[in-house]
Amino acid sequence: GAVVSQHPSRVICKSGTSVKIECRSLDFQATTMFWYRQFPKKSLMLMATSNEGSKATYEQGVEKDKFLINHASLTLSTLTVTSAHPEDSSFYICSATDGGSYSNQPQHFGDGTRLSIL
Amino acid sequence: GDSVTQMEGPVTLSEEAFLTINCTYTATGYPSLFWYVQYPGEGLQLLLKATKADDKGSNKGFEATYRKETTSFHLEKGSVQVSDSAVYFCALSKVQFYFGTGTSLTVIP
Repeated sequence: GAVVSQHPSRVICKSGTSVKIECRSLDFQATTMFWYRQFPKKSLMLMATSNEGSKATYEQGVEKDKFLINHASLTLSTLTVTSAHPEDSSFYICSATDGGSYSNQPQHFGDGTRLSIL
Repeated sequence: GDSVTQMEGPVTLSEEAFLTINCTYTATGYPSLFWYVQYPGEGLQLLLKATKADDKGSNKGFEATYRKETTSFHLEKGSVQVSDSAVYFCALSKVQFYFGTGTSLTVIP
């Protein structure tokens, strides 16, 4: 149980393109989803927390107009990297929990999306 | 603030060796503690967890005990396999998740 599906797994595109990444909870309702960015050989950096039906909460230093997050249903959140540039190239990982952002329940992670901007 | 400190890697071990990856935390109250594993090119998978002091989490031969007196949650395995090669993350959860920096483990035959 508690499967999170992330799609696509890899994207290569030209600079200036907008890229959408989907995160779905397949067998549970995700009240809260998280988006992380992981740099090579580094830990995960939390970008934003999204609760279904409300605006995402962005971490300090993360541009909300650059990284658009939508959490329109209890099973789907999307991250759109707008007008992507080479410095946006990274590994993006989503996670979901059914326990809310103040819960001690584990987060369940997607397999990540490798984004490469040429 | 809340944080997790994890031993630096990389760690290289021979197959069947004993593994310890140290993790200590700083937090007020009673956080839950987790170990996640990340295989190359993949997301994170929950390996084990403990939600209160003296709890022992275990899975796939890995164990970790929640030690409140030493604020630690060290990961151990008695006999590692090549398939255990991955990056291991310690994490705590209270208001939000806090991850350690990850420890890369390579097991050689």
